[in-house]
Amino acid sequence: EPEVTQTPSHQVTQMGQEVILRCVPISNHLYFYWYRQILGQKVEFLVSFYNNEISEKSEIFDDQFSVERPDGSNFTLKIRSTKLEDSAMYFCASRDREGSNQPQHFGDGTRLSIL
Amino acid sequence: SQQGEEDPQALSIQEGENATMNCSYKTSINNLQWYRQNSGRGLVHLILIRSNEREKHSGRLRVTLDTSKKSSSLLITASRAADTASYFCATGSNNAGNMLTFGGGTRLMVKP
Repeated sequence: EPEVTQTPSHQVTQMGQEVILRCVPISNHLYFYWYRQILGQKVEFLVSFYNNEISEKSEIFDDQFSVERPDGSNFTLKIRSTKLEDSAMYFCASRDREGSNQPQHFGDGTRLSIL
Repeated sequence: SQQGEEDPQALSIQEGENATMNCSYKTSINNLQWYRQNSGRGLVHLILIRSNEREKHSGRLRVTLDTSKKSSSLLITASRAADTASYFCATGSNNAGNMLTFGGGTRLMVKP
């Protein structure tokens, strides 16, 4: 069964450094998402992306964050200047285009640790 | 409570028993989805119920939705030790992006 893959599984970065998290969504999906889960807290929506543009974003997704689909397969989340509070699990998800009542399929996540 | 709140927060049962988890939400929804998360892993989609549906089954899973009460329940019948995980409800918005809003989850432990 096709799945969403994320790399790396664990990223350790110094505060203030830029980090890029990578995702390969399911190949025929056209809606893409990033979520994050701070340890012990809820999964929080960051951003949704469709047709090469952001369709929705949360308050968390400020100017330090950006997303890109640089080619036909990858979907990336960039944090420009990381802060300690960016430490979290980051999940990528994708959804089929056929109607909004389709499940989102999640990757296993990238654990981001900011030192 | 916030959108997508589950109760109980933790549930411990014996193998073979049924497990029921509840979820409440506040705003109007397009659908409600249940996910499972094993420790340190990603979210696995279990079942989606649309806002115009009242009940849905998938294997040992049964989900109900009561939009008048803004609540849903997930029932796992004949539980197994392998069902031990955290279970989250997530409401799908009516917006174009169809973002999901997750609850805090129920930690289920099934003792063999």
